[in-house]
Amino acid sequence: DSGVTQTPKHLITATGQRVTLRCSPRSGDLSVYWYQQSLDQGLQFLIQYYNGEERAKGNILERFSAQQFPDLHSELNLSSLELGDSALYFCASSSGGGSTDTQYFGPGTRLTVL
Amino acid sequence: AQKITQTQPGMFVQEKEAVTLDCTYDTSDPSYGLFWYKQPSSGEMIFLIYQGSYDQQNATEGRYSLNFQKARKSANLVISASQLGDSAMYFCAMRESSGSRLTFGEGTQLTVNP
Repeated sequence: DSGVTQTPKHLITATGQRVTLRCSPRSGDLSVYWYQQSLDQGLQFLIQYYNGEERAKGNILERFSAQQFPDLHSELNLSSLELGDSALYFCASSSGGGSTDTQYFGPGTRLTVL
Repeated sequence: AQKITQTQPGMFVQEKEAVTLDCTYDTSDPSYGLFWYKQPSSGEMIFLIYQGSYDQQNATEGRYSLNFQKARKSANLVISASQLGDSAMYFCAMRESSGSRLTFGEGTQLTVNP
């Protein structure tokens, strides 16, 4: 158990819908990262928050947004869902943000868009 | 741009034998971190081992060791005394000092045979 929690574990929805994925980082970690894992794209970095502020952005679509709240939990919002958004979405957390900083991953949310 | 290459889509090993999973990387940043993660069929991403670019010695964590050859830009994972529970997908990842994201390779599917 990494100490990072993600809910829900599974999510099945229809095209055009909007969903929210939730993540609670390990106790004491200030950074939260979101990654998407799909068969065709592999593991892709989406976005990072550090202590409530957006720190880095990766291959995140405009239909996707995220935020980190004062209690440090984070939410990833996916809207106007398409079939291609079906993937495993991971949240990871770390204490800081340097190259030596280990990111610990949550169990993931498996999103299926029908 | 940083890049990770894992050239072995699949590997097979007999129980109790050692196995080496290959990883090469490309970066122009002199400071970076290299990570290995394990993803069992259940889907979670489990951190295994870390190697810093300035570390003089190869990292070890229990049965896992990292064969770091900086000049060749390789960071191979060695698993000693393989166990059936080691059957999983293994990902090599890198993080540069200038960034926050982990860049992942495509992974190697390891199967341990009894």
